[in-house]
Amino acid sequence: GQQVMQIPQYQHVQEGEDFTTYCNSSTTLSNIQWYKQRPGGHPVFLIQLVKSGEVKKQKRLTFQFGEAKKNSSLHITATQTTDVGTYFCAGRRRMSTLSRTSYGKLTFGQGTILTVHP
Amino acid sequence: DGGITQSPKYLFRKEGQNVTLSCEQNLNHDAMYWYRQDPGQGLRLIYYSQIVNDFQKGDIAEGYSVSREKKESFPLTVTSAQKNPTAFYLCASSSTSDGEYGYTFGSGTRLTVV
Repeated sequence: GQQVMQIPQYQHVQEGEDFTTYCNSSTTLSNIQWYKQRPGGHPVFLIQLVKSGEVKKQKRLTFQFGEAKKNSSLHITATQTTDVGTYFCAGRRRMSTLSRTSYGKLTFGQGTILTVHP
Repeated sequence: DGGITQSPKYLFRKEGQNVTLSCEQNLNHDAMYWYRQDPGQGLRLIYYSQIVNDFQKGDIAEGYSVSREKKESFPLTVTSAQKNPTAFYLCASSSTSDGEYGYTFGSGTRLTVV
């Protein structure tokens, strides 16, 4: 079945340092989504990437989707203590038949737990 | 405001007991999902439903059951057959096309076996 691997599992940074988490899929993805879960909270949708090579930015966050649509990354510039939490990627596979195109369920990576030291 | 409500927030279960976790949404979403979260293992899909009166097993369905009698509701029953039920359970919903808005998650139920 489809697997989505995410590294690193943990990342400790000093406030102001940059942070990157990487996501790799065993199969080509239709799209990939990123979520953030604050400690004690629930995942919150951040963004979806659809196109090969796509890059999207949200303030200090930069999201990339690989050319082969099998990997993705999230980069945070100049981390702040409010960035603390677990970042998940979630990939979706497209399944095409002669009559229709459907979308498989999301498969989540294991997440990267980010700790930011002030 | 629209959203997903999970209850209870904390639940304690005795060995051999069935318990039901509630999930209600007023987002008019067609699809609903149950995930289990354990430390270091991310989110694992238990069951999902894309339409009323229909649901599918996810990756770890053994020991769980669900129903989808109403669009708004997708309760999860953790049965005594589930050998290691202590975990954080998350319910989510999405519009069928699952476009740019992704999944909306509830605040979760933390289940502990005592």
